[in-house]
Amino acid sequence: SQKIEQNSEALNIQEGKTATLTCNYTNYSPAYLQWYRQDPGRGPVFLLLIRENEKEKRKERLKVTFDTTLKQSLFHITASQPADSATYLCALASYNFNKFYFGSGTKLNVKP
Amino acid sequence: KAGVTQTPRYLIKTRGQQVTLSCSPISGHRSVSWYQQTPGQGLQFLFEYFSETQRNKGNFPGRFSGRQFSNSRSEMNVSTLELGDSALYLCASSSYSGHYNEQFFGPGTRLTVL
Repeated sequence: SQKIEQNSEALNIQEGKTATLTCNYTNYSPAYLQWYRQDPGRGPVFLLLIRENEKEKRKERLKVTFDTTLKQSLFHITASQPADSATYLCALASYNFNKFYFGSGTKLNVKP
Repeated sequence: KAGVTQTPRYLIKTRGQQVTLSCSPISGHRSVSWYQQTPGQGLQFLFEYFSETQRNKGNFPGRFSGRQFSNSRSEMNVSTLELGDSALYLCASSSYSGHYNEQFFGPGTRLTVL
């Protein structure tokens, strides 16, 4: 079955720095990869989607890369702010959408 | 627009009982997906309904079932509850079927099985 690895340890960075989160996967090639943000006690919030034929996607301070050779996606938050502190989840979807897997998430702490 | 709503927010049941959870999607959304979130297994896809039909299904036993009504509201049922069913159950709605589309999640129902 699909295995998705995200750093289980929290990522602590200083305000203003760039946060980089990693999502590694095995066992199959997803058609799409999504990133979500989840705050305690709340449902995930969709941030970005990137397709397998796209190398990079940007949205404001967010950037996602997708390397199908390395089976890895990187999620960057530039000029990070304390309000960016949350758990970030990656999710993979197959072409026919009948398989959809989430990673366990990485907790980001941005210190002022 | 109102967001996705889920009821109840908290629920306590005992082993062997059954439970029904409800999800009201964003107005105009026809797809509703259900997920289970636990500390050990993370967020796992249960099933998706679109226009009252189950489109996709995750790897959960038949004790987990769902349905969708003509107004797109959805219910999820778990029969013969087990301790391991304790989890946060999330539903998400989107305009169209398929995980390609942006999903909007509700706040979840916290189910505790004693």
